[in-house]
Amino acid sequence: QSVLTQPPSVSGAPGQRVTISCTGSSSNIGAGYDVHWYQHLRGTAPKLVLYGNNNRPSGVPDRFSGSKSGTSASLAITGLQAEDEGDFYCQSYDYRLSGSYVFGTGTKVTVL
Amino acid sequence: QVQLVQSGAEVKKPGASVKVSCQASGYTFINFDIHWVRQATGQGLEWMGWMNPKSGNTNYAQKFQGRVTMTRTTPTDTAYMELGSLRSDDTGVYYCARGLYETTHQPRSDWFDPWGQGTLVIVSS
Repeated sequence: QSVLTQPPSVSGAPGQRVTISCTGSSSNIGAGYDVHWYQHLRGTAPKLVLYGNNNRPSGVPDRFSGSKSGTSASLAITGLQAEDEGDFYCQSYDYRLSGSYVFGTGTKVTVL
Repeated sequence: QVQLVQSGAEVKKPGASVKVSCQASGYTFINFDIHWVRQATGQGLEWMGWMNPKSGNTNYAQKFQGRVTMTRTTPTDTAYMELGSLRSDDTGVYYCARGLYETTHQPRSDWFDPWGQGTLVIVSS
């Protein structure tokens, strides 16, 4: 049972903007721990798309951006493209779980 | 390039153990923690624990404590994850990943990059 909650799915037409929320609590995001985001396509390894709330690794297009406020974070994809389909997970750290890293529940992004 | 290569698929009976390997290349193995994450069938990503390759220190998620052991062989830059007392709901894909963090930022919150290709573990009688 994940301590970070995401919407099960979001969708948008090509070129549109979609956002994915990640809601935590005072023992994880609210305690100041950074949030990171991954794209996971079935049958492949998860790929890091944002780290440290809003930093893009080399090779990730600037269509991906992130933010964090209070006990929540969000990932935005602007100019949605077909290749952006997949499952997206947020990830952070929770000090109340004996030093445990935690993932969000996951959000399926569909390009209409 | 930085790469993690995992061992192949395994089929195990309930109650047995499985040991998955993860060989690192393209960076200094002992300088970065190795994390293990699984995706059980029909579920999301679940963090299992980390191991420090230099010291051998480990920290396991509460859910897996007593059932999981993470080790390494430094001469071959290989990490291992062994899960025992397997049940059918342990069926899924197991990933290793390198842990990274910002040294000047507090509190510390590691992110994972890159990931291994995944190892399918099937638990079935």
